[in-house]
Amino acid sequence: GQNIDQPTEMTATEGAIVQINCTYQTSGFNGLFWYQQHAGEAPTFLSYNVLDGLEEKGRFSSFLSRSKGYSYLLLKELQMKDSASYLCAVMGYGGSQGNLIFGKGTKLSVKP
Amino acid sequence: GAGVSQSPSNKVTEKGKDVELRCDPISGHTALYWYRQSLGQGLEFLIYFQGNSAPDKSGLPSDRFSAERTGGSVSTLTIQRTQQEDSAVYLCASGSGTGWTDTQYFGPGTRLTVL
Repeated sequence: GQNIDQPTEMTATEGAIVQINCTYQTSGFNGLFWYQQHAGEAPTFLSYNVLDGLEEKGRFSSFLSRSKGYSYLLLKELQMKDSASYLCAVMGYGGSQGNLIFGKGTKLSVKP
Repeated sequence: GAGVSQSPSNKVTEKGKDVELRCDPISGHTALYWYRQSLGQGLEFLIYFQGNSAPDKSGLPSDRFSAERTGGSVSTLTIQRTQQEDSAVYLCASGSGTGWTDTQYFGPGTRLTVL
């Protein structure tokens, strides 16, 4: 079966650092994506990892361990506008070369 | 256009009616995807078009759902004899079609409510 797990909700304080974890079990692996989705809006691309290690992009970093089926998204210097859902998605083999399997998302609330 | 556009933004229909949802991908993108997102659920893959290849329909939940992509650009998702469980936000995404590393750019979605 195919399964992607991430926490349902998290709360953090403005200016702090938060780590959102994602574990996955999929039929094949061809990369892991993180998307940000503000309430009522479409998801927007944040990061892509296909090799083990850390990818840093400004205040956001994403880490991947393929052997552990594990990734995390690290958000630094949190801002109120970072309040959103963060979607972990894995591109597996499945029935399609373009099929992203999404987790249910982690709703992050940033408090002052 | 600058991004993926979808129409209508909201659709309310009665159970049993047919609906058509439209997606205009980013110009030049050969890959086009349809997803739906139900309340409290993750994104669910529906169908994938890549260029002139036969679409991957493996995610369509029933034969009431179908999609076309004419001329390799605009796509229409049709739901026949709508049911209340079809209520969801239907999202379209497009990509450059480079394959496994393709980043998908999402449209704003169509919120479908079946009464």
